[in-house]
Amino acid sequence: DTGVSQDPRHKITKRGQNVTFRCDPISEHNRLYWYRQTLGQGPEFLTYFQNEAQLEKSRLLSDRFSAERPKGSFSTLEIQRTEQGDSAMYLCASSLSGFEQYFGPGTRLTVT
Amino acid sequence: GENVEQHPSTLSVQEGDSAVIKCTYSDSASNYFPWYKQELGKGPQLIIDIRSNVGEKKDQRIAVTLNKTAKHFSLHITETQPEDSAVYFCAASYDYKLSFGAGTTVTVRA
Repeated sequence: DTGVSQDPRHKITKRGQNVTFRCDPISEHNRLYWYRQTLGQGPEFLTYFQNEAQLEKSRLLSDRFSAERPKGSFSTLEIQRTEQGDSAMYLCASSLSGFEQYFGPGTRLTVT
Repeated sequence: GENVEQHPSTLSVQEGDSAVIKCTYSDSASNYFPWYKQELGKGPQLIIDIRSNVGEKKDQRIAVTLNKTAKHFSLHITETQPEDSAVYFCAASYDYKLSFGAGTTVTVRA
């Protein structure tokens, strides 16, 4: 399978704990995106990498969120001091051209 | 920023009939308009897209039309099948980030 992969698929955590998600893009894609999707809504843009450079962060990405893409390959998204409002599906997408974005299966986060 | 509105929010069609979903966008600079299909528990799947220099694009049973003057675009699914049942999202972009509509839940009745 050469699609975008995400790990874990599901994460349940207690409020106040830190969580980290991983995304492995399609191998030749240099652009990587993180989105957040809440129930009944479309995905919302969080942040974008071109190679290892993080080029934009949405205002949705509070200072408790941090994302990295070392060496321009996989990416991690960390949420510190989780809150119940962080419960959502976190989606990763990758692209070669900047147009067609291919999404992974997502990580569903539940904060109790 | 870009604002995308999508209608209807739910759509029920008889198998074999056509389904049409409409979206409007606010930013005239947007130049790329993809459509995604999302099944339960899965990530969005790109099914068709159109760029601003094209008015219509077709791929088998699905087609997308774009009216840049009116700032709206539509997805047409013909000869619907049970496997077309899913949530469909439109999106618009003028740079690297997609702005999505709220989605349309399509149910195809057998």
